[in-house]
Amino acid sequence: SYELTQPPSVSVSPGQTARITCSGDVLAKKYAFWYQQKSGQAPALVIYEDYKRPSGIPERFSGSTSGTMATLTISGAQVEDEADYHCYSTDNSGEHRGVFGGGTKLTVL
Amino acid sequence: QITLKESGPTLVKTTQTLTLTCSFSGFSLSVRGVGVAWIRQRPGKALEWLALIYWDDDKRYTPSLKSRLTITRVPFKDQVVLTMTNVDPVDTGTYYCAHNSPDSRFYYYIDVWGQGTTVTVSS
Repeated sequence: SYELTQPPSVSVSPGQTARITCSGDVLAKKYAFWYQQKSGQAPALVIYEDYKRPSGIPERFSGSTSGTMATLTISGAQVEDEADYHCYSTDNSGEHRGVFGGGTKLTVL
Repeated sequence: QITLKESGPTLVKTTQTLTLTCSFSGFSLSVRGVGVAWIRQRPGKALEWLALIYWDDDKRYTPSLKSRLTITRVPFKDQVVLTMTNVDPVDTGTYYCAHNSPDSRFYYYIDVWGQGTTVTVSS
């Protein structure tokens, strides 16, 4: 089991809105971060500090949080957005260790 | 531009010690606020955070592997080394190193990843 819980898979048609959730007690006090990992590639940061977008990330990617749940929203998902998405935060141990969710496979077809 | 690249053996035998090197450029680990972490991904599994070394040589390890991991910086080189003792086939996977920065609450997060190196553990 993981400190951060994600659905294993989400499926949408092109142009639809995809929402991927990440829940965990740590999110009540720590930021959520989201990484996109396309097949055979290293992960890449798409959302940091709950909702901020790094430069170069399309505006269709957005993030939000409420309580102990973070949500990655892809508005108007495109075929090229098909990937695994991983949420990340810091554990509650006081030791500042990183924790990942189980990952969500987004299918766009 | 920050880049990181992992290197090490592609095949190791059960019970041996795995040594992986992260060579980086575009930043200095001597600068306050910088960190380098190791993350792995076993086949078909989620990302797993392993260890982090800070600019001041402070270190953090995931509890489940703490007894087997050591993260160190290589003096006078832009490199960080991760050693894992007593490897087992379940340690097979892709190992990534990554640049870490502090968020506005001063917790560290991964902002740049290396390409990863694949390690197979076999008897």
